[in-house]
Amino acid sequence: EVQLVQSGAEVKKPGESLKISCKGSGYTFTDNWIGWVRLMPGKGLEWMGIIHPDDSDTRYSPSFQGRVTISADKSISTTYLHWSSLQVSDSATYFCARHLYDGSGYWDYWGQGTQVTVPP
Amino acid sequence: QSVLTQPPSVSAAPGQKVTISCSGDNSNIGNHYVSWYQQFPGTAPKVLIYSNNQRPSGIPHRFSGSKSGTSATLDITGLQTGDEATYYCGTWDSSQRALFGGGTTLTVL
Repeated sequence: EVQLVQSGAEVKKPGESLKISCKGSGYTFTDNWIGWVRLMPGKGLEWMGIIHPDDSDTRYSPSFQGRVTISADKSISTTYLHWSSLQVSDSATYFCARHLYDGSGYWDYWGQGTQVTVPP
Repeated sequence: QSVLTQPPSVSAAPGQKVTISCSGDNSNIGNHYVSWYQQFPGTAPKVLIYSNNQRPSGIPHRFSGSKSGTSATLDITGLQTGDEATYYCGTWDSSQRALFGGGTTLTVL
């Protein structure tokens, strides 16, 4: 069974760093790109970026380029989303999702989400 | 504001049909496949439709998708109260960036 399991909820202070994780299992982790998606309260899904775990080829949405870093460690089937300096506006739920390319490209499995809270 | 435009909300009675639209342009929907996702509060999205009109195994036939030009639609027939959720369309753009619509909240009256 394909699973993406994310790390737990975080409460951090503005200016702190944070790295959240997404561990894949039940498939060959290096076969699929993994994307990260933000969901802010009262807003819609926003695509942040995508990484190929085999060679760590990474692409970012212009909205998130320079604000976060996506990385991967294929030896432990895990991808990461990292902030060097959190802002209050980073408070949201973050999802990882597996990209399946069958000629079309869509997100077929999702992690359970990691809630990040950065109080003012 | 999302590049893909969805109505913020739709509603219909149990047993009825509802259509959710997703409008884009030639840089996204017009030249790429569309997928649809269902999300309940506090849970992860789930794919309902991929490749414009294909259902993953386990998705009821009540859910169907279509695409014409730069727009796509998700139809839900035989509405049930359990269908109350937020629905998102998704696609790609010409720069190989993923896109999502702003989401449509479905209320089953």
